[in-house]
Order: sequence, then C-alpha cells, then structure tokens
Amino acid sequence: EAGVAQSPRYKIIEKRQSVAFWCNPISGHATLYWYQQILGQGPKLLIQFQNNGVVDDSQLPKDRFSAERLKGVDSTLKIQPAKLGDSAVYLCASRLVAGGTGELFFGEGSRLTVL
Amino acid sequence: TQLLEQSPQFLSIQEGENLTVYCNSSSVFSSLQWYRQEPGEGPVLLVTVVTGGEVKKLKRLTFQFGDARKDSSLHITAAQPGDTGLYLCAGENFGNEKLTFGTGTRLTIIP
Repeated sequence: EAGVAQSPRYKIIEKRQSVAFWCNPISGHATLYWYQQILGQGPKLLIQFQNNGVVDDSQLPKDRFSAERLKGVDSTLKIQPAKLGDSAVYLCASRLVAGGTGELFFGEGSRLTVL
Repeated sequence: TQLLEQSPQFLSIQEGENLTVYCNSSSVFSSLQWYRQEPGEGPVLLVTVVTGGEVKKLKRLTFQFGDARKDSSLHITAAQPGDTGLYLCAGENFGNEKLTFGTGTRLTIIP
C-alpha cells in the first residue's frame, strides 16, 4: 500500500515570495491534516479536512496561508507571502478511521526555508 | 489552545540504561498516542492508549495513561541505539478527531 506522498521535499524561497505544497493521502483515508513542525518542536496543527470539508483551521494564519482539498483526495497548502518565521517542515497526514483512535500516517514532509 | 508539555526536552543516556519520558496536560483527552520521529521522516505511531490507568507494553517500551486522562509516560528498559529519535505524545479531543502534539523529547542513546 502506497504511503502519504508529499512534494516538493525541499523548497528555498525569499521572504514575500509564495510557495505551494502538495499532498496525496493514502487511498480511502477520509481525514487529512496539515501540520507545521519547526525544528526540534512538536508538530502544530494548521488545518484538518474531513473529505473535502474543513473540520478545524483555528491555527491557520489565514492572512497568508490557504489550503484546499478538492474532491476529497489530494490537498494543497499555499503560503503567500512567506515570512522568515514560516521556515519549517510541513507535514501532511491522513487517517482512515472517522471518530476513532486510528493511526495518523505521515508523509516525509516538505522542508521550507525562507531567506 | 490545549498544551501537552513533554519532559525532559532532551535526554542523552548510555546504551543499556533505563529512562522515562513524561507527557503532561491540564486538559482531559479521549485518547493519547505516542509517536517516534527520525530525521527527515514523518512521525510513526508506537501506541494508542484510551482508558485511564491503562498500561501497554511494546517489547522494551511501557506506556501508561494517567487515571485522569491528562498525562502519560513512556518507559524504555535497556535502551538501545535504535531507540534514538524524537518522541512525541499526541492527545485527541473528544468528538472532533483533532490531534494535538506535545513539545517532544529528543532521545539519544550512546553506544
């Protein structure tokens, strides 16, 4: 079974530029999460989708971050304009079980460096 | 925002020693998970605990969920270099599947 795919793995941009990350979850997983992980810290939830609807985006900086999950499958996370403090690894995760204690399956992450 | 504080933040011990990592919160969680993350990879699930007071063992790893469902611990017996990594606890809220991760404990086992 294929895992969660993310791209690009690495991205270097200058501040005020824009960037987009893509995630393809495990087939059949209804729930998709985007987390931001700053070096050495635990992941921070940015947005959670259930199929193509947003369940939680309370910690998403909506003035510069946006995310969508078209057709309830793939998802993109966009940052525009980027700030120095956005340098982090952006992790995508998916989960099969709704309303339970199922495992989150993570991709390898997209590492963003903002100069 | 619910907070999960892990301690210690960093831990470096010799191979063969025992250690305990703690995960504490003022909030009650419906369940708690422990993940391990290696450099350049995403976290991987180790265990899920769902009942207050529950103890689960995974080979040399013992996980405990606090009676009040606000805290958890991970105990490793006879640590090995392969145990090196970032250990993350994650608490789930009742009803909305939101998983909040802890601050992390970076463990290094010295051969």
